[in-house]
Amino acid sequence: SQKIEQNSEALNIQEGKTATLTCNYTNYSPAYLQWYRQDPGRGPVFLLLIRENEKEKRKERLKVTFDTTLKQSLFHITASQPADSATYLCALDSGNTPLVFGKGTRLSVIA
Amino acid sequence: DAGVIQSPRHEVTEMGQEVTLRCKPISGHNSLFWYRQTMMRGLELLIYFNNNVPIDDSGMPEDRFSAKMPNASFSTLKIQPSEPRDSAVYFCASSLSGGRKNSPLHFGNGTRLTVT
Repeated sequence: SQKIEQNSEALNIQEGKTATLTCNYTNYSPAYLQWYRQDPGRGPVFLLLIRENEKEKRKERLKVTFDTTLKQSLFHITASQPADSATYLCALDSGNTPLVFGKGTRLSVIA
Repeated sequence: DAGVIQSPRHEVTEMGQEVTLRCKPISGHNSLFWYRQTMMRGLELLIYFNNNVPIDDSGMPEDRFSAKMPNASFSTLKIQPSEPRDSAVYFCASSLSGGRKNSPLHFGNGTRLTVT
């Protein structure tokens, strides 16, 4: 069956370090992969999109990689700040169906 | 840009009652999605519309759930009768797909439903 797994429910890191979140999937052939941020009591907010033929995408302190052989995407936040604390969701898009979301990883950046 | 607007923000009701959740998508967006979020199952797609037409409702749990989109600026999700297991946060999202399947979703802030 199709499955999306985000490496852990929670991740704690020290301010200034790089946070790395993992999204693994099975039995999907996504054309696109998207990452969202969700704060408590709010809806998810779109951050980045990466296509299957792209290896890496950057936006300010954010970097996303997409390895279709490993069936994995990595999401990096460099020079992390307490304001980066949130839940981060990956979502797969096969190109023909709506987005399917992982359960998310709750990131806490400790000052 | 007002974003996607959902109402109410919180709804507490008793088992057996009818619940109606409302959504106003971003103006100009032609796709609308209803998701449900719980700790156990994460974000699950219930139904989505393109140009006001329901495309896929396979995620709707059962006949107690129904959704409508009478026009481009309004959609409702109705649960009748409600049950305690329906307690969750319900999100509405819209996108400008225009045939581009990689359009990001814009979410509202959700309706937290509690059925006692």
